Amino acid sequence: GAGVSQSPRYKVAKRGQDVALRCDPISGHVSLFWYQQALGQGPEFLTYFQNEAQLDKSGLPSDRFFAERPEGSVSTLKIQRTQQEDSAVYLCASSFPGLAGVFTRETQYFGPGTRLLVL
Amino acid sequence: KNEVEQSPQNLTAQEGEFITINCSYSVGISALHWLQQHPGGGIVSLFMLSSGKKKHGRLIATINIQEKHSSLHITASHPRDSAVYICAGGLGGAQKLVFGQGTRLTINP
Repeated sequence: GAGVSQSPRYKVAKRGQDVALRCDPISGHVSLFWYQQALGQGPEFLTYFQNEAQLDKSGLPSDRFFAERPEGSVSTLKIQRTQQEDSAVYLCASSFPGLAGVFTRETQYFGPGTRLLVL
Repeated sequence: KNEVEQSPQNLTAQEGEFITINCSYSVGISALHWLQQHPGGGIVSLFMLSSGKKKHGRLIATINIQEKHSSLHITASHPRDSAVYICAGGLGGAQKLVFGQGTRLTINP
C-alpha cells in the first residue's frame, strides 16, 4: 500500500472487554513499532518488531497487552480486560532498514492511529 | 526520566514570522526526528538528523551533536503551519523513538 494503515480507526469498548488493533505496515518494511499516545501527551513506545521477532516489549504497560506479527508483515496489538486508563490513540509506525537485520537510522512512517475509548 | 526536552510548549505567532522550536536530548540518542501532528490527524515525519542541517521548503532542521541540541525553524510562517511539532530521539540499536512533549504552534493570519 501507499502508507501505513490501521484498523479500526475508532474503537469504543466496555471496561473488561478484549480489543484487537491491526496495523498494516508499508510493504517490505522490516521494522514495526507500536506507540501509545494518551490525550494531550506525546506518544510513548510500547513494542518493536523486526520481521516476526518481537525484539523489545519493554514499553508494554501490563501483561494485559500483547502484540504479535506472525508473518513479519501485519501486526496486531491485543489488550485484554480493558481498563479506562487504556483509553488512548495507538499508533503504529514502520521503517525500512538499509540491510535486513542491520540496525540503521531510518525514518519511521506512522499510521493514522486507532483511537480507543474504554467506558 | 525525560530523555528529550522540547521548548516552548506553546507558541503563537503572526503570519510571516520566523519560528524556532528547540529540542535537547540525552546521551544514547543517536538520531533526532522532527514530526508534525495536526489535530485529530496522524503523525508525519519531517526530518531525521544525525548531523548537520536539512532543509525542505520553508522548514530547516539543525543539530549540534556536541551540545545534544536540535532546532526546527520555519521561515515565512503561514496559518497552515499550525500544528503540534514533536521532537523525538532514536534510542538504541532498534531506534525506538523517545518523544518530547510537543510544541503547539499557532500561526495567526
